[in-house]
Amino acid sequence: GAVVSQHPSRVICKSGTSVKIECRSLDFQATTMFWYRQFPKQSLMLMATSNEGSKATYEQGVEKDKFLINHASLTLSTLTVTSAHPEDSSFYICSASPIGDTQYFGPGTRLTVL
Amino acid sequence: AQSVAQPEDQVNVAEGNPLTVKCTYSVSGNPYLFWYVQYPNRGLQFLLKYITGDNLVKGSYGFEAEFNKSQTSFHLKKPSALVSDSALYFCASADGGGYQKVTFGTGTKLQVIP
Repeated sequence: GAVVSQHPSRVICKSGTSVKIECRSLDFQATTMFWYRQFPKQSLMLMATSNEGSKATYEQGVEKDKFLINHASLTLSTLTVTSAHPEDSSFYICSASPIGDTQYFGPGTRLTVL
Repeated sequence: AQSVAQPEDQVNVAEGNPLTVKCTYSVSGNPYLFWYVQYPNRGLQFLLKYITGDNLVKGSYGFEAEFNKSQTSFHLKKPSALVSDSALYFCASADGGGYQKVTFGTGTKLQVIP
């Protein structure tokens, strides 16, 4: 199957700083990628749809100024958590798919905000 | 609108016994249904999908799922459980065959007891 990577796998930061998470499709091009957030022992909640070359589409209740998404190329999408606070601590997962194929998920990024 | 429901938070099964993880769906139009597995602090791994065709879908690691239209169910099954199958399992539905955004169930923790 297709491979999606994320970097970093784990990050700890101080409250008020910004954190950037990268999502890459390693062996295919993806015009669309998705960002999810998962709280402990809960399901994945879709945050936004990242579109290459255009603005991201955010789900209801997700602050677009808080979670900045940039999809600058067909293999890279970035999620920046701006002015992070402890309540932003979570597991962030991205996904992408080759055209007409199933979604493949990255390994996730564990964000801890102190 | 589409949704999937997983009625069991946890399923316990003895090693070597058959296992079933339940999922019911509510979708408009043709259902596109998936099963994913998540190991601790890891991303999701694709197990199998139903798009169309045979109601019994075979997937990775010996898992299979049966699509039942009359009962609107898509239960995950395996004839003989392994301890290594212990993980969190998510049922999901999607628009457009899965290469668009995916909606997840709440997840079922499978515990295989040696």
